Amino acid sequence: GAVVSQHPSRVICKSGTSVKIECRSLDFQATTMFWYRQFPKKSLMLMATSNEGSKATYEQGVEKDKFLINHASLTLSTLTVTSAHPEDSSFYICSAPGHLNTEAFFGQGTRLTVV
Amino acid sequence: QKEVEQNSGPLSVPEGAIASLNCTYSDRVSQSFFWYRQYSGKSPELIMSIYSNGDKEDGRFTAQLNKASQYVSLLIRDSQPSDSATYLCAVKRFSGGYNKLIFGAGTRLAVHP
Repeated sequence: GAVVSQHPSRVICKSGTSVKIECRSLDFQATTMFWYRQFPKKSLMLMATSNEGSKATYEQGVEKDKFLINHASLTLSTLTVTSAHPEDSSFYICSAPGHLNTEAFFGQGTRLTVV
Repeated sequence: QKEVEQNSGPLSVPEGAIASLNCTYSDRVSQSFFWYRQYSGKSPELIMSIYSNGDKEDGRFTAQLNKASQYVSLLIRDSQPSDSATYLCAVKRFSGGYNKLIFGAGTRLAVHP
């Protein structure tokens, strides 16, 4: 099946720094990528949708200047958490959509800890 | 009202029993429904998908869909300790030009020996 590779799997950074998370589709072209965040014992919350060649669309309440999303090519989408703060510590997951009635393909997730 | 609602649990069942997980959704036009299993610190993995009213069986898993009641369930027969995880119900919604997966909060299942 389709594979989405997400890196890094874990990252610890200092407050005020920026962190980039990459998601690559390995054996297919992903024109769209969804980015989720998940707090402990909570559900996946959709943050934004990236689309190759155009600006990302953000869900209500998500700061687009804080969470920069770039879909540079048909196989790479990135999420940059800018000026990270401890409250940004979370599990971030990317997902490429399947067709209407098929599964989505998830990356492995990134555990971000801001200290 | 949340778009996808699940009882957070934990649901505790003995090994070998049937675990029953429930989910309701608010958008009547939803057509695609999914159950994902998520182990701690890992990404979700697809267990079942269901699109038509009725039951769909795959091994020890049975998904049930009732669109009139806006209700989806997952039955796990012969539960094993390895089934202990959080089970996420998800519904596909068309929004902003995309088919998006909307997740419930998940139900934690604990299968004890």
